[in-house]
Amino acid sequence: DQQVKQNSPSLSVQEGRISILNCDYTNSMFDYFLWYKKYPAEGPTFLISISSIKDKNEDGRFTVFLNKSAKHLSLHIVPSQPGDSAVYFCAARPPYSGTYKYIFGTGTRLKVLA
Amino acid sequence: DGGITQSPKYLFRKEGQNVTLSCEQNLNHDAMYWYRQDPGQGLRLIYYSQIVNDFQKGDIAEGYSVSREKKESFPLTVTSAQKNPTAFYLCASSPTGTGNTIYFGEGSWLTVV
Repeated sequence: DQQVKQNSPSLSVQEGRISILNCDYTNSMFDYFLWYKKYPAEGPTFLISISSIKDKNEDGRFTVFLNKSAKHLSLHIVPSQPGDSAVYFCAARPPYSGTYKYIFGTGTRLKVLA
Repeated sequence: DGGITQSPKYLFRKEGQNVTLSCEQNLNHDAMYWYRQDPGQGLRLIYYSQIVNDFQKGDIAEGYSVSREKKESFPLTVTSAQKNPTAFYLCASSPTGTGNTIYFGEGSWLTVV
């Protein structure tokens, strides 16, 4: 069974504070993970990725953490800005598979309050 | 600017009609994909193509068809056999079929009336 779960459908955070978006997965062998941001009626925009051989990757205000033992992925946004308000998707790829094999979570809607 | 262009953005279709969604990319990517998004669900793969003149069914291919005659283009036809066609459709591409990252277009809303 290969699943990617985003158990929090929504999250509200004050502007300037940290936003933490979570993602859990079932297959400990997943080898690559992606985070996307999506505004309403638009396509997802790639944000940041991480390989299973790492436990952290940073890009500006965005940091992704990977806890392989817990099969847990999180995206930290610091500081949060109103423009970050969007739906965030995580995706995970089974090992030894092509890009078409990515499994997507259902998304978490982030609202950053001014 | 390089990117993935989908058209039309919004489309209404009567039941029983086929409709084709266009997807063009100028990123020189080999692989292209079609996904469907429904409320409360993750993206589901309809079809993918790793190279020109070749394509494979994804998880929910029934009622859909595609072609890949040019590297830049990967149109999706939603046929009358698709039972629940109303959805948000996303075209995507990646440099290769074995790479790491997928890039998405802006999406097309299809509503069956």
